[in-house]
Amino acid sequence: KAGVTQTPRYLIKTRGQQVTLSCSPISGHRSVSWYQQTPGQGLQFLFEYFSETQRNKGNFPGRFSGRQFSNSRSEMNVSTLELGDSALYLCASSLMDSNYGYTFGSGTRLTVV
Amino acid sequence: TQLLEQSPQFLSIQEGENLTVYCNSSSVFSSLQWYRQEPGEGPVLLVTVVTGGEVKKLKRLTFQFGDARKDSSLHITAAQPGDTGLYLCAGDDTNAGKSTFGDGTTLTVKP
Repeated sequence: KAGVTQTPRYLIKTRGQQVTLSCSPISGHRSVSWYQQTPGQGLQFLFEYFSETQRNKGNFPGRFSGRQFSNSRSEMNVSTLELGDSALYLCASSLMDSNYGYTFGSGTRLTVV
Repeated sequence: TQLLEQSPQFLSIQEGENLTVYCNSSSVFSSLQWYRQEPGEGPVLLVTVVTGGEVKKLKRLTFQFGDARKDSSLHITAAQPGDTGLYLCAGDDTNAGKSTFGDGTTLTVKP
């Protein structure tokens, strides 16, 4: 079966702009989580969506938001980009929750200049 | 907040050597996962351990979950260059609905 698909793979944006990242989970998986990975902070949890509802949220500012559609595909949006938002953004798909681990996508590498 | 500490942070060894990576916490986890990540890619799930004291083997990799479900170890026998990568442990934080990740161990296996 197809894996987790994230688009785009690479993105360069200017400070102050906004960006939307997309994730298509494994077919049948209803939970989609988003993580930010940076060299200094490791993997930090952004939020989790389940059946189109945000079920859990990490400690990120309101500039970071997301949504999930009825087909389980998810998007995350970052508004008013800052240099510190440069990171690898990872989408993680699971059947119900994180208890048995995730299947990750290849990530979107966002560079803010 | 649940934290996971991994050690060592970096490990460079010769092909054929054995190694052990540790993942420790003061918190109890309902399950713990190990992932391997290669540059430019997302982490790939290697194993999930659920029961305290559980040992799982995956070819040359042996994973152990501590009796109290607070720590875990990954042992690689006869390491190969293909084992090179970032090894991450992650504890399931059921109350928060997420996994808490350690900072990872960067392993380099030289031919």
